[in-house]
Amino acid sequence: SQQGEEDPQALSIQEGENATMNCSYKTSINNLQWYRQNSGRGLVHLILIRSNEREKHSGRLRVTLDTSKKSSSLLITASRAADTASYFCATADNQAGTALIFGKGTTLSVSS
Amino acid sequence: KAGVTQTPRYLIKTRGQQVTLSCSPISGHRSVSWYQQTPGQGLQFLFEYFSETQRNKGNFPGRFSGRQFSNSRSEMNVSTLELGDSALYLCASSPGQGGSLLGYTFGSGTRLTVV
Repeated sequence: SQQGEEDPQALSIQEGENATMNCSYKTSINNLQWYRQNSGRGLVHLILIRSNEREKHSGRLRVTLDTSKKSSSLLITASRAADTASYFCATADNQAGTALIFGKGTTLSVSS
Repeated sequence: KAGVTQTPRYLIKTRGQQVTLSCSPISGHRSVSWYQQTPGQGLQFLFEYFSETQRNKGNFPGRFSGRQFSNSRSEMNVSTLELGDSALYLCASSPGQGGSLLGYTFGSGTRLTVV
């Protein structure tokens, strides 16, 4: 079953622009993670934000988490063509050994 | 260090056959999880293994099974294949139990096509 729901489903921007993707989830979580997938290959872990954190940065990525609204956003600044991929949020509850639950993803297309 | 290795990369099988997929985690990682990815259902959790024991199982029929060896390598098996089993099967490893709490490193996946 899907926990996270990304919005929008698809996003097309020009190189240099910023891209923002949103994720909403339903239950209380231990952490929320963002992954990138290029063309049906494996997922690449981008960033993990814990439930007691509100914002986290990694290079051109900025992730926010609002546990009261059960939502998160991923901002990619100064997008490049190489950022073209699908982006997934995934949530984990508090118990070890429980599964990471993924949303259906946002497909980002960055054109030069 | 080497990443998560999945073999084979592509596989075509006939309905009714069985298939075994292999995953070698990152050296030192003891937790291996498997996910199925399809266009319709997205990424769905199959199972997680830690120290050769299945720690968690997703909502899949008994035709889907797996195991983990003492060197942490894992295999998953699907018996009596159905057309709907066509998917990208992804393996993910994590240093300890509770990979969902630490973040996963994924392999490139095995693309299974059932005809």
